[in-house]
Amino acid sequence: TQLLEQSPQFLSIQEGENLTVYCNSSSVFSSLQWYRQEPGEGPVLLVTVVTGGEVKKLKRLTFQFGDARKDSSLHITAAQPGDTGLYLCAGANGGYQKVTFGIGTKLQVIP
Amino acid sequence: NAGVMQNPRHLVRRRGQEARLRCSPMKGHSHVYWYRQLPEEGLKFMVYLQKENIIDESGMPKERFSAEFPKEGPSILRIQQVVRGDSAAYFCASSSQGVGNQPQHFGDGTRLSIL
Repeated sequence: TQLLEQSPQFLSIQEGENLTVYCNSSSVFSSLQWYRQEPGEGPVLLVTVVTGGEVKKLKRLTFQFGDARKDSSLHITAAQPGDTGLYLCAGANGGYQKVTFGIGTKLQVIP
Repeated sequence: NAGVMQNPRHLVRRRGQEARLRCSPMKGHSHVYWYRQLPEEGLKFMVYLQKENIIDESGMPKERFSAEFPKEGPSILRIQQVVRGDSAAYFCASSSQGVGNQPQHFGDGTRLSIL
């Protein structure tokens, strides 16, 4: 069974601060996805990383895939209240693309 | 999330009744995935279907749960003789391909409550 561990599970910060959340596994994934989920809604895909060492930027969000494709990080610069939500990482392996989700990091950005 | 449509958004059932959850994938998507999310837990894979075929049901409980994705119409997740432990949010996702790195797009879920 492939497991994805996310840390921290909960994070409460002030508007304007920077933060990093982590997604770690002992397994190798062919790709890793980050989602954000808000209460009462489904997860929304933020990014997919596929190459070891890959870095992708989405405005104030920076995603990195570990060289060994076992871990990933999400860094948010100058967090805004609109960044509040549950951040989920999900690992996929080829074939028919069954994905394994981490438990998520619940982020609260206080104005 | 407007592309993947799930209904109903909320469903209340009494113990022993049947629950039917529907999912219409995004236009052009023929691959559907069902997940269950419990409070303070991650999304747990249940089943992966392609039109008229179940590809992987390794996450489905052995009893009372079934899923289908007919040639015409939405995918259905059916739970028979519901119990309190079935209370959860059930999410459907769809993708255009089942292989490679095509992203999944999620619906807004059905929140099932068992009285």
